[in-house]
Amino acid sequence: DAGVIQSPRHEVTEMGQEVTLRCKPISGHNSLFWYRQTMMRGLELLIYFNNNVPIDDSGMPEDRFSAKMPNASFSTLKIQPSEPRDSAVYFCASSAPRQILDTEAFFGQGTRLTVV
Amino acid sequence: DAKTTQPTSMDCAEGRAANLPCNHSTISGNEYVYWYRQIHSQGPQYIIHGLKNNETNEMASLIITEDRKSSTLILPHATLRDTAVYYCIVRPRSGGGADGLTFGKGTHLIIQP
Repeated sequence: DAGVIQSPRHEVTEMGQEVTLRCKPISGHNSLFWYRQTMMRGLELLIYFNNNVPIDDSGMPEDRFSAKMPNASFSTLKIQPSEPRDSAVYFCASSAPRQILDTEAFFGQGTRLTVV
Repeated sequence: DAKTTQPTSMDCAEGRAANLPCNHSTISGNEYVYWYRQIHSQGPQYIIHGLKNNETNEMASLIITEDRKSSTLILPHATLRDTAVYYCIVRPRSGGGADGLTFGKGTHLIIQP
């Protein structure tokens, strides 16, 4: 398996523009997570899905952020409108079904977002 | 998740064992200790986890004290590629991540040649 695949790897956009980050989880995994990492705040959980259903979005900073998971193999994180303070590395992670023992979260390589 | 305390940074000579401590004095009975690491410019990577017994895998060993209030991650023969930030996370077992991970600041381990 290729692991968790995120695209794009780097994104530079102007303030006010819409940004869409994409994630393909590992096949067979039913939990998907979006994290954000900045120097100031470290790694923060934004939202996670179980079986394509959003379970906890309390980490989403504000209404400008939205995430969807239309099927088991694809998720998006959208920021509209983007602001310079959204600049960060965004990670997607997935994990196997709960009933499987000894599972862990597998992370993608991240998308480095720069809003100018 | 229970709060953990880790040193900000540590140095270790290449080829020696790296011992990374973690305090988790408020851990409860159903919470596990997980370790992840993040190499520069990469996503976090799972290393190992345990409940109360010592654990070992191909990457590392995890030693948990009898009272479970602290643990030590051991990299037996550190290499330059082990330079990374190491995160100790305490959380209930739920299949490894189905309800997310709370990362602290971790320990920046620097392996010296």
